[in-house]
Amino acid sequence: DADVTQTPRNRITKTGKRIMLECSQTKGHDRMYWYRQDPGLGLRLIYYSFDVKDINKGEISDGYSVSRQAQAKFSLSLESAIPNQTALYFCATSDFGGAGDTQYFGPGTRLTVL
Amino acid sequence: GEDVEQSLFLSVREGDSSVINCTYTDSSSTYLYWYKQEPGAGLQLLTYIFSNMDMKQDQRLTVLLNKKDKHLSLRIADTQTGDSAIYFCAGRSGGSYIPTFGRGTSLIVHP
Repeated sequence: DADVTQTPRNRITKTGKRIMLECSQTKGHDRMYWYRQDPGLGLRLIYYSFDVKDINKGEISDGYSVSRQAQAKFSLSLESAIPNQTALYFCATSDFGGAGDTQYFGPGTRLTVL
Repeated sequence: GEDVEQSLFLSVREGDSSVINCTYTDSSSTYLYWYKQEPGAGLQLLTYIFSNMDMKQDQRLTVLLNKKDKHLSLRIADTQTGDSAIYFCAGRSGGSYIPTFGRGTSLIVHP
């Protein structure tokens, strides 16, 4: 079984709709992250959480919100989706002090906003 | 903050060596990483190098770090079609727990 899972894997929605992307991990890591990937722009950090009570904005948090429901679960919400939020979204985890603080990524959610 | 730059594309012939280059701006970068993203998948760590090292070798992969020029490279020996992917360079300073990723280099391996 995958260590970091994301649901859904693909989603098409309309402008103005509320969307939630979910991430679960079985690695036992405290740290979780949400990134967005756009062609030619690489990965940009949206939000991150270092433990259940900790939520921090990344470089592009506007239009997004997150919830850390448990150590293993970190969800990303788009309150009112717009077309320029069409992208590939990745969840990642890391273990503080572990091997270079390596990040472990989920398989991604491809979101299309029409 | 950290800024990481890498070229967007590299095309090589199967069996040749590939060299993917990366530059970074933060001289206090403690860890430098190479991640690989295969089509339809998330990023997977290939290797990382600590700032007190100049070189790290792991089978077909060789990482070279030039701290003076803030330059990192990834060499893949005997490149295979299965190495076709996007390769991301990332750097993290000791004072930050969040790595900064480059835009990714698409490696295309042709017969």
